[in-house]
Amino acid sequence: GENVEQHPSTLSVQEGDSAVIKCTYSDSASNYFPWYKQELGKRPQLIIDIRSNVGEKKDQRIAVTLNKTAKHFSLHITETQPEDSAVYFCAANNDYKLSFGAGTTVTVRA
Amino acid sequence: DSGVTQTPKHLITATGQRVTLRCSPRSGDLSVYWYQQSLDQGLQFLIQYYNGEERAKGNILERFSAQQFPDLHSELNLSSLELGDSALYFCASSVGSGGFSYNEQFFGPGTRLTVL
Repeated sequence: GENVEQHPSTLSVQEGDSAVIKCTYSDSASNYFPWYKQELGKRPQLIIDIRSNVGEKKDQRIAVTLNKTAKHFSLHITETQPEDSAVYFCAANNDYKLSFGAGTTVTVRA
Repeated sequence: DSGVTQTPKHLITATGQRVTLRCSPRSGDLSVYWYQQSLDQGLQFLIQYYNGEERAKGNILERFSAQQFPDLHSELNLSSLELGDSALYFCASSVGSGGFSYNEQFFGPGTRLTVL
């Protein structure tokens, strides 16, 4: 089955700086890569996703890049703000399910 | 609010007991997914149903079972509960069945299960 590895497990950044989270996947058939943000005690919420026919996608301060050859994708958050503090999960589809990374706890220091 | 509802919000029970968690998907969504999230753990996929039929299975224990009813709501049954089953259980829904053309999954608020 699909194996998704996510790094780092924790990330502390100064407000205004950028944050980068990286994920690798194992199944070359995966073609959908969402990123979810989960605040403490809340549900995971999709913040951005990318499909395998594009290499990069942006939405305001958030961007995701995909390298299919290397089987890795990354989340970039620019100009971080305190409300960006949360756990971020990457995922990749495998047949009919999503396999999630272990999560990255992002802390934005004021 | 994602449009996915889960009940109950909290559940406290004892080891050896059986509980049922309920999920109603967003209007129009045919797929329901169940996930387990233990303390400080990621999201572990349990099982998926699409339009009443089981579509994918993850690391779901034999003590756990699920079904999706004709009105598309789903129930996750957990039996012979152990302390280690304490976790947050999320349900998610999507319009499609997954596979090649994947659609966003919308998560419900979760059910926090505590086994004492």
